[in-house]
Amino acid sequence: QVQLVESGGGVVQPGRSLRLSCAVSGFTFSSYGMHWVRQSPGKGLEWVAVISYDGSNKHYRDSVKGRFTISRDNSKNTLYLQMNTLRPEDTAVYYCAKEGAYYDTLTGGLEYYFEYWGQGALVTVSS
Amino acid sequence: DIQMTQSPSSLSASVGDRIIITCRSSQRISTYLNWYQQNPGKAPKLLIYAASSLQSGVPSRFSGSGSGTDFTLTITSLQAEDFATYICQQTYSTPYTFGQGTKLEIK
Repeated sequence: QVQLVESGGGVVQPGRSLRLSCAVSGFTFSSYGMHWVRQSPGKGLEWVAVISYDGSNKHYRDSVKGRFTISRDNSKNTLYLQMNTLRPEDTAVYYCAKEGAYYDTLTGGLEYYFEYWGQGALVTVSS
Repeated sequence: DIQMTQSPSSLSASVGDRIIITCRSSQRISTYLNWYQQNPGKAPKLLIYAASSLQSGVPSRFSGSGSGTDFTLTITSLQAEDFATYICQQTYSTPYTFGQGTKLEIK
């Protein structure tokens, strides 16, 4: 069955770095786009970044651009999120998610959704 | 960014009831709308994608509809395991955004 397992979370001081990993199994990792999503304690979900199946395309939310880097190693079935210059407002549970796509025959477009999620990794940024 | 607004924010219902949750986007998103269920301390679970397509394995009492800016999630004949938070999401354009959630509680 499909499994996504995040690791690398922890407590870190503001301005420091942390790298999250997401090890996947149960599907052909190299065929799917992957996302990071975060959820602050008691708050809503916030999309962070996406990487295409081959790593050639990446997009980020504005608040993490220039600080966070999404990457993947298809030979290791692993997704990464390198987080630099961390801020207290980055404190959250970080989820990795596998992308699914639905082809809309009417519009000819691909509609994306987050088909499977990991269990989450807690990142706390505090002095 | 596209803003997603859900209503109500919370809802009390009983087992067997039919409920409807609404999600509105700040601009037209065609049917690029997904619904998730989240239980406390757990990751979200996909229920509905492309506004009205039921994810494999999800019970047929869940259904979605809508297009453009207005969408609904309907749950017929509520079961005990359905009491959770429901969240809509648009994937029309990045940054993909989520609604604030609707907490469904037992009356």
